[in-house]
Amino acid sequence: GAVVSQHPSRVICKSGTSVKIECRSLDFQATTMFWYRQFPKQSLMLMATSNEGSKATYEQGVEKDKFLINHASLTLSTLTVTSAHPEDSSFYICSASNLRTTLSYEQFFGPGTRLTVL
Amino acid sequence: TQLLEQSPQFLSIQEGENLTVYCNSSSVFSSLQWYRQEPGEGPVLLVTVVTGGEVKKLKRLTFQFGDARKDSSLHITAAQTGDTGLYLCAGVAVYAGNMLTFGGGTRLMVKP
Repeated sequence: GAVVSQHPSRVICKSGTSVKIECRSLDFQATTMFWYRQFPKQSLMLMATSNEGSKATYEQGVEKDKFLINHASLTLSTLTVTSAHPEDSSFYICSASNLRTTLSYEQFFGPGTRLTVL
Repeated sequence: TQLLEQSPQFLSIQEGENLTVYCNSSSVFSSLQWYRQEPGEGPVLLVTVVTGGEVKKLKRLTFQFGDARKDSSLHITAAQTGDTGLYLCAGVAVYAGNMLTFGGGTRLMVKP
């Protein structure tokens, strides 16, 4: 149980285009989803937290107009990188948790999406 | 400065050796988790510790949570080449709801 999928696993796009990444919880309801960014050989940095049906909370320094997050259902959250530039190239990872359970502190991670902006 | 200081950053050892990775903070955590991450994949949860002084074992891996819930360690006995990877500690601070803060990671390489 507690499987989280991400799609696509890899995406290459041209500078100036927008890219949408999907994060799905396959076998549980995710009241909260988190989006992380990871640069090569570095740890994960939290970008934003999204709760189902409400606006995402962004970490300091993360542009909410550039990284659009939608959490429309208990099993799906999307991250859209708008007007992508080469410096947005990174490994994007989502995680999901269910605050209604006793193990609400546990997050289950997706396999990540490698974004390369040319 | 990072909320969670993880050390060492890099570790290269021979197969069969023992090693310990440390995760330290000045903040108190309601829970702390250890993950292992392979290149190009998401982190995989190894263990969660929630009680001060708690010790959990997972085969050759031993995890300990400090009495004050400010630090944790991961000890690997008789390391194998399959243990190679990025080890990440992550904690939920008592004031932070369920938001995870990650340590900087320890990149382990076990040579045959």
